[in-house]
Amino acid sequence: ETGVTQTPRHLVMGMTNKKSLKCEQHLGHNAMYWYKQSAKKPLELMFVYSLEERVENNSVPSRFSPECPNSSHLFLHLHTLQPEDSALYLCASSQVRLAGEFTGELFFGEGSRLTVL
Amino acid sequence: ELKVEQNPLFLSMQEGKNYTIYCNYSTTSDRLYWYRQDPGKSLESLFVLLSNGAVKQEGRLMASLDTKARLSTLHITAAVHDLSATYFCAVEEGGSEKLVFGKGTKLTVNP
Repeated sequence: ETGVTQTPRHLVMGMTNKKSLKCEQHLGHNAMYWYKQSAKKPLELMFVYSLEERVENNSVPSRFSPECPNSSHLFLHLHTLQPEDSALYLCASSQVRLAGEFTGELFFGEGSRLTVL
Repeated sequence: ELKVEQNPLFLSMQEGKNYTIYCNYSTTSDRLYWYRQDPGKSLESLFVLLSNGAVKQEGRLMASLDTKARLSTLHITAAVHDLSATYFCAVEEGGSEKLVFGKGTKLTVNP
């Protein structure tokens, strides 16, 4: 497998369910991101992990919980979601130089389309 | 707070025509990125612009950056149907690892 892969591609869940989205990158990058893409809003950054440490938590509700066990894998754990959380969730990776400089270019997965009933 | 605005949000053009998409942003930044997204697909990186006056070209697309005006343009030359997609600009916020995206420009090229 190459690039950034996300599973599942589609997920339907009730408001009381608990589910997880998975992302794996095969690019040797050291930073990973979760973005939310809704129909009427710009892409919203949710979480950033750089060198396996969370560096951004963009005021995301606690019903979204990220996990980054290593530099290649990223999870988004979901529980007691609301219908307005229905969106496309995109994972991305990039290479951050060890001195901390962000090179900027993100490589995205194809997304997980989430529907909350 | 950094804000990024693209215009137009929707663009319908005929094959063979030229057009420009604009990306304005509200605070100082030297790094701007253009991405393309096809329906149901991921975002694909098109251009990385890292300094004032940077110009990059790939095929029928050319991107430029004017950091003093806080403006980037994506110019389309002699459009073809295969360019139909949504184009996003994204600006790096103040030396952070955060990109702020515009709402995207949905481009439709008609035969």
